[in-house]
Amino acid sequence: DTGVSQDPRHKITKRGQNVTFRCDPISEHNRLYWYRQTLGQGPEFLTYFQNEAQLEKSRLLSDRFSAERPKGSFSTLEIQRTEQGDSAMYLCASSKEFSTNEKLFFGSGTQLSVL
Amino acid sequence: QQQVKQSPQSLIVQKGGISIINCAYENTAFDYFPWYQQFPGKGPALLIAIRPDVSEKKEGRFTISFNKSAKQFSLHIMDSQPGDSATYFCAASWGNEKLTFGTGTRLTIIP
Repeated sequence: DTGVSQDPRHKITKRGQNVTFRCDPISEHNRLYWYRQTLGQGPEFLTYFQNEAQLEKSRLLSDRFSAERPKGSFSTLEIQRTEQGDSAMYLCASSKEFSTNEKLFFGSGTQLSVL
Repeated sequence: QQQVKQSPQSLIVQKGGISIINCAYENTAFDYFPWYQQFPGKGPALLIAIRPDVSEKKEGRFTISFNKSAKQFSLHIMDSQPGDSATYFCAASWGNEKLTFGTGTRLTIIP
């Protein structure tokens, strides 16, 4: 159990460029979540997967955002045509199932800066 | 809109004192209330959680007090230590679904 791994840790990009983040959940965790956190705010839910199925997407997730979890293991979050307002920490989390006895484990996040 | 309101925004407590952070929620369907601790450059980590069938839960120096009728819950950190300096988030969810987080409290423990 090596924890939730996110790559890269930091990403600086110019407005209009596309970026892709990767998340490797804890092995055998079948739920995977993406959250976004801006400075001074709590994490905001973006989307989540149960195995490879994307079960819910937030209204925050515009058409420029797409997430995949092709084999039910790692996940990618892509942002197309980045805007300055996309600058934030993108957090990935995983759990076996989200129940009373299960914790939600967060990665250390990818800090995105859009110039 | 599901919301969780958290206060204070920042808190300074002397070493050995009691730190108290409060949260209020609106959605009566919420049935799971965790507290997360976040250090700079790290993701949030679960600290302690409570279900609404109990009014209090204690784990070591950390206690959650829950008031269902007032729709409020709070985190108490006893004998606060410098290592407790971090940002704390309350959260809520229902039906084993996604968490809704509060805005966070930056706690600083001074000697």
